[in-house]
Order: sequence, then structure tokens, then C-alpha cells
Amino acid sequence: SQTIHQWPATLVQPVGSPLSLECTVEGTSNPNLYWYRQAAGRGLQLLFYSVGIGQISSEVPQNLSASRPQDRQFILSSKKLLLSDSGFYLCAWSGSSGLSDTQYFGPGTRLTVL
Amino acid sequence: KNQVEQSPQSLIILEGKNCTLQCNYTVSPFSNLRWYKQDTGRGPVSLTIMTFSENTKSNGRYTATLDADTKQSSLHITASQLSDSASYICVVSRNYNAGKSTFGDGTTLTVKP
Repeated sequence: SQTIHQWPATLVQPVGSPLSLECTVEGTSNPNLYWYRQAAGRGLQLLFYSVGIGQISSEVPQNLSASRPQDRQFILSSKKLLLSDSGFYLCAWSGSSGLSDTQYFGPGTRLTVL
Repeated sequence: KNQVEQSPQSLIILEGKNCTLQCNYTVSPFSNLRWYKQDTGRGPVSLTIMTFSENTKSNGRYTATLDADTKQSSLHITASQLSDSASYICVVSRNYNAGKSTFGDGTTLTVKP
């Protein structure tokens, strides 16, 4: 069966510090991968998606970046965090038959920028 | 503009009662509509997915309906349980458009004993 992992589960970082969140998927190959952010009490905002290694599409302009160094690994990064980067970050995967397929979400990372 | 609006924003019901959550969308062209359940501090979990030709789909005590003509969907929960307390998110996807799923802001359901 497929599983998706995210770490760390929680993170507290000072403004201006770098960020690296990691997501890995097991039990499937060539998945579509997604990064979302969810502000407190708000809906999910798609940040990045990837259809293959090294292929990243950005949905919103921001100081975040994403990379996919391996088929089942998706990394969210920032060189300098802002207060507004605080939120709940979710990674998701879907089958490669289409980007509108059902997405399966990881447990999330709670990021607090102070 | 592609939008998904959910109502009510929040809802409180007593255990054992039924409830219905609404989702209206303006996404076009339509591919599918999904309902997710998100427990506090967790990732969303898919409940149902419906394509254009489907107008109802059940998953246990959850029943989703879709009216593609009026662009409305509902999620009906029967015999609610305390564990149903969560945020319910409606997601609509467009045809052949990479990464283009539009998420609603969700309805927060609280089931009280």
C-alpha cells in the first residue's frame, strides 16, 4: 500500500532563517506531488506541484521554492522565512494518470515563524 | 473566475442527528468533485469523488450528491458521531489542466454529545 511521510511534524523558526521540509512517498512510482499551505482556519492553497523528477510548477509567487531530486521525494525550501510563512504545510500525491485525480495527503508540518 | 464556496462555514449538531453541507462552484470545464474530511492538525482524507455523470455516491454514513447543471454538491451525514467532528472540504477539478484543483474553505462540523 502507498504511504506518504512528512517531516518534521512541527517546526519553530526565527524570521530570516532557512527552511527545508521533506516529503517522501512509498509504494508507488512516478506520482504527481503537491505542496499546500493552510493558514489557521482557512482553506488549502496550492504552492507547487510536480509531474516528474526536476519538473516543478509554481502556483503562487512567494519566497518559497520546491525541488524533486528523486521520483518519490519532494522538498519545500526557503532561504529566508517571513512571518507570513507560518502555517500548516501539507504534501500530497496522486496517480500519474491525471492531475485531477484524488490526492492523498501526508500528516503535515506545523510551521511557526517568530 | 473559478471558485468553490461552501456553506455553512461552521455547524454544531448533537450526536445522532443528520446534517447536510453545501458546495457551490463555478469551475469550468468540470472534471470531478471531491469531498475530503480533515481532522484538526491532520491531512485531509478523501471521502468521495464524483464525475460529471454521477449524481450520488455513498461512503458509509456519508452521501454526496452532485447537480452538474446547477453546479451544486452536498454532503449528507447521517446518524452523526463524535468522530465526525472535523472540517469538510469540497474540491473541484478542471479538465486537462495540470494542477488545477480549486479548494473550498471548508465547513467545520462539531458534533456534541
